[in-house]
Order: sequence, then structure tokens, then C-alpha cells
Amino acid sequence: EAGVTQSPTHLIKTRGQQATLRCSPISGHTSVYWYQQALGLGLQFLLWYDEGEERNRGNFPPRFSGRQFPNYSSELNVNALELEDSALYLCASRALAGLYNEQFFGPGTRLTVL
Amino acid sequence: QKEVEQDPGPLSVPEGAIVSLNCTYSNSAFQYFMWYRQYSRKGPELLMYTYSSGNKEDGRFTAQVDKSSKYISLFIRDSQPSDSATYLCAMSQTGANNLFFGTGTRLTVIP
Repeated sequence: EAGVTQSPTHLIKTRGQQATLRCSPISGHTSVYWYQQALGLGLQFLLWYDEGEERNRGNFPPRFSGRQFPNYSSELNVNALELEDSALYLCASRALAGLYNEQFFGPGTRLTVL
Repeated sequence: QKEVEQDPGPLSVPEGAIVSLNCTYSNSAFQYFMWYRQYSRKGPELLMYTYSSGNKEDGRFTAQVDKSSKYISLFIRDSQPSDSATYLCAMSQTGANNLFFGTGTRLTVIP
């Protein structure tokens, strides 16, 4: 069974540009979560999508947005990039709701803003 | 105050040692507690999860949750060089909600 995949692996942008990151969940998983892992700050929750809807949003400005497609893949968009947006962006997917279901993480996209 | 606090280390131990990793949290609504392991340049992978208070053992790993103290621990027995990684605690209010992570503890097991 293929795991969570993310593309691209690395992305280099300059301040003010826009970045688009993509995530394909494990087959059968309907929920996708996005996290930012900045140096020294740990993983910070960004966005949660389930069945195409945004279910929750972390404490990030509106220039961080995303969507989930009918095939459950997801896209994270970051507009007006700032230097502090440089981080590893991790996507996780989860199966249908239950008492508890593990979030499986992808390898991440390393975003560097110059 | 951050919702989840974790000593970032780094922690260096000799092979065979018992390792103790800890996190504290402030939100009493957290009910699901997890430990993830993250190797360099990889995404986190789930090691253990515990619902509410108590202990859970899986091979060389034991997870403990003390909700009254808002304190969770992960013990690694007979540590191996392959255990060298960053260990992240995480928690959530429900099984579906987003996770709140500690900053991670970097562990090195020296052969």
C-alpha cells in the first residue's frame, strides 16, 4: 500500500511569491491535515480537510489556504511569501472517523523563501 | 504558555540504556496521547498511542499518561543505535481532531 506522497520535495521561492504544495493521501483516507515544522518550533497545525470541506484551521494568517479535491488529494497555497515561511510542510492523512485513527505522515515539502 | 511542552534535548545515551522522554501539557481536554518518531529527512511515524490515563507497553517501549499531573512519558528499554531519532509527543481532544505537538527531543544512542 502506497503511503502519503507530497510534491515537490523541495521548493525555493523569493519573498512575495506564491507557493503551491501538493499531497496525495493513502488510498481510502478521506481526511488530510497540513502541518508546518519550522526549526525549533515543532509541528504546528495549519489546516484540516475532510470530504472536501475545511474542518479546522490553525493560528495562521489567511494567506495560508488550501483545498481538497474530489479524489481526496489536497493542495496548500501560501501567498505573499515571507522569510519566516521557510519550513518543512507535512501532510498527514487519516481513515474514516472512528474512536481513534492514526494520522500517517508524508515525507514533507521543504520550502525555502529567499 | 504553549499547550504542549517538551524538553528539546539533545539527549545522548550509551547503547542498552533506559531512556525517559517526557512532555507536559496545559489543556485538560486532551484525551488521546501519542508518541511519534522522526528520522532525519522523513515524516513522523506513530510509535505508541494511549487513550486517557494509564500505561501501555509495546516491546521495548512503554507509554505512560498521568492526566492528573498533565504529564506523559515514553520509556525505551535496551536502547539501540537505530533508536537515534527525534521523538515527538502529540495529543488531541478527540480521535479525529488535529494534533498538538511538542517541539521534539533529539535522541542519540551511542554504540
